[in-house]
Formats: sequence, structure tokens, C-alpha cells
Amino acid sequence: DAGVTQSPTHLIKTRGQQVTLRCSPKSGHDTVSWYQQALGQGPQFIFQYYEEEERQRGNFPDRFSGHQFPNYSSELNVNALLLGDSALYLCASSLQGQGETQYFGPGTRLLVL
Amino acid sequence: EDQVTQSPEALRLQEGESSSLNCSYTVSGLRGLFWYRQDPGKGPEFLFTLYSAGEEKEKERLKATLTKKESFLHITAPKPEDSATYLCAVGNSGYALNFGKGTSLLVTP
Repeated sequence: DAGVTQSPTHLIKTRGQQVTLRCSPKSGHDTVSWYQQALGQGPQFIFQYYEEEERQRGNFPDRFSGHQFPNYSSELNVNALLLGDSALYLCASSLQGQGETQYFGPGTRLLVL
Repeated sequence: EDQVTQSPEALRLQEGESSSLNCSYTVSGLRGLFWYRQDPGKGPEFLFTLYSAGEEKEKERLKATLTKKESFLHITAPKPEDSATYLCAVGNSGYALNFGKGTSLLVTP
């Protein structure tokens, strides 16, 4: 049973560029959440997608956007990259209810130069 | 506003030396308290979910407990392979998980 997968594993971009990160949820899961983790910090919630809609958003600017596809996979897009966007981006999948356990993927390490 | 505070920030143990990690939380409407283990550069690995005060769960050398204000992760007779960062998170009336900063555990032979 495949767990949560993410691609790419690593990415280097320049300030001002745009990036797209991808996530496939664990088999049987229909909900995808995205988190940003800076070095030495806990993950910070960006947003969650369910039924192809963003249903909750954390304290992140509009430069961060996402999409969920009919097969439940998801993308995270970040426009106009800043140096401070350098972080580990984590995707988590779960069932749709409140309080459901979220299972994380391996993450995408983004470095903005 | 929800708050999750983990202590200590770092802990060094000798192999076999049992100890506990603390997670104190303030949340409006707890929908679950979650423990994860994270190895350097990798995604968090799920350990336990606790839903109500008094609940306990065990897995190998780890045991998690929950009260109305805090949770403990007890590590019994740890081994070097237990070295990792342990993250605590709470779920509230929404869908987000609110994480603490983690406790970095090092177990030496």
C-alpha cells in the first residue's frame, strides 16, 4: 500500500520565479493538506483541499495557491518566490472529517536563491 | 488562539535511560492530539492519536498519555534508533493541525 508521495524531492529556484509541487495521497484518502516547515520549527498549515475545493487556509499570502484533481492528487503553487520561502514543503493526506489523522509524505526541499 | 508548547527543546539520554517528553496545549475544542516522529530531512511519521483525557496508547518503547492540558510521550529503555525529533500537534474545530516546535532526542550507546 503506497503511502503519500511527493515530487520533486529537491528544487532550487531564483527569487521572483514560480514553482509547482505535487502530491499523491495515501490510497483511500480524499483530503490533502499542505504545510511549510522552516528549519528548527514545526510544520505550519498552508491550506487543505477536499472535493477539489480549498476548505481551510492558514496565514499565508495569496502567492500560495493550490489545486486538487478528481483523483485526489494535489498541487501547491508558489508565485513570486522570496528567499523566505525556502523550506521543506510537506503534503499530508487524510479522510475528510475533523480530527482525522494526517499522514505525511517525505516532503519537497525548496531552496530560493 | 491555539498554542502548543513542547519541552524540553532537546534531550540527551543514555541507551536504556527512560524519560518523558511534554506537550502542553491550549485549544478551543480539541479534536485530537497527535504525536509524530521526524528524522532529519524527512516527513513526519505518525505515532499516535489521542482524543480524550485519560486515554493512553502504546507502541514498542513509546507510550502516549493525555490530560485536559497536556500530553506526555514516555520512552522506556530507549535505543539509539529512537533518536529523532518528536512533534506534537493538536486539531481543533477546523481541519488544520497546529504543531509545537518539537523535542530533539538523542540516545547515545
